[in-house]
Amino acid sequence: DTAVSQTPKYLVTQMGNDKSIKCEQNLGHDTMYWYKQDSKKFLKIMFSYNNKELIINETVPNRFSPKSPDKAHLNLHINSLELGDSAVYFCASSHLEREAQETQYFGPGTRLLVL
Amino acid sequence: AQSVTQLGSHVSVSEGALVLLRCNYSSSVPPYLFWYVQYPNQGLQLLLKYTSAATLVKGINGFEAEFKKSETSFHLTKPSAHMSDAAEYFCAVATGGGNKLTFGTGTQLKVEL
Repeated sequence: DTAVSQTPKYLVTQMGNDKSIKCEQNLGHDTMYWYKQDSKKFLKIMFSYNNKELIINETVPNRFSPKSPDKAHLNLHINSLELGDSAVYFCASSHLEREAQETQYFGPGTRLLVL
Repeated sequence: AQSVTQLGSHVSVSEGALVLLRCNYSSSVPPYLFWYVQYPNQGLQLLLKYTSAATLVKGINGFEAEFKKSETSFHLTKPSAHMSDAAEYFCAVATGGGNKLTFGTGTQLKVEL
């Protein structure tokens, strides 16, 4: 059983398009995250939601909008895609009860290529 | 602000040799530290974590790490490398206020015959 799943796995699109990436977790966690991994493999957090409420919002262009319909899902919508958005996007989830001690479980990643 | 530094973006060892991947942290409060492994084209998997219970932490696949406050280090070791250990390894520090993970730049481990 997949704990954290993402769709699609690969996404190739043109500049200017709008796209969405979906994430679902079946671990019963109350917190979900989006991370971006660039071409040099540097990982940086973008957003975090706890029980459908935004709790971390790093300096990310407002073309990126996370949406959490329920605590098992966190989707990422990207408007007006740019070349620099090409990266691997990882979803993760965890409990939040003990905050920084909690382990985050990562999905397999979505490889986005903007042409 | 908390941060981690991984020395050596690439480490190469022979199969059977000791693996040592370095991580130093900077934190104004007691840190929670993690090592994750990323195999090619896959997500991140937790190897081990330090949450102040014990300074020597044992993880999966024979890896362990020792928290040394005096050296602000959390180096990852494995006594004997296996070909299957070839991957990218990330050290990370977690902060409260939402469990934000801040990652190091990663170390790619290559295991040679």
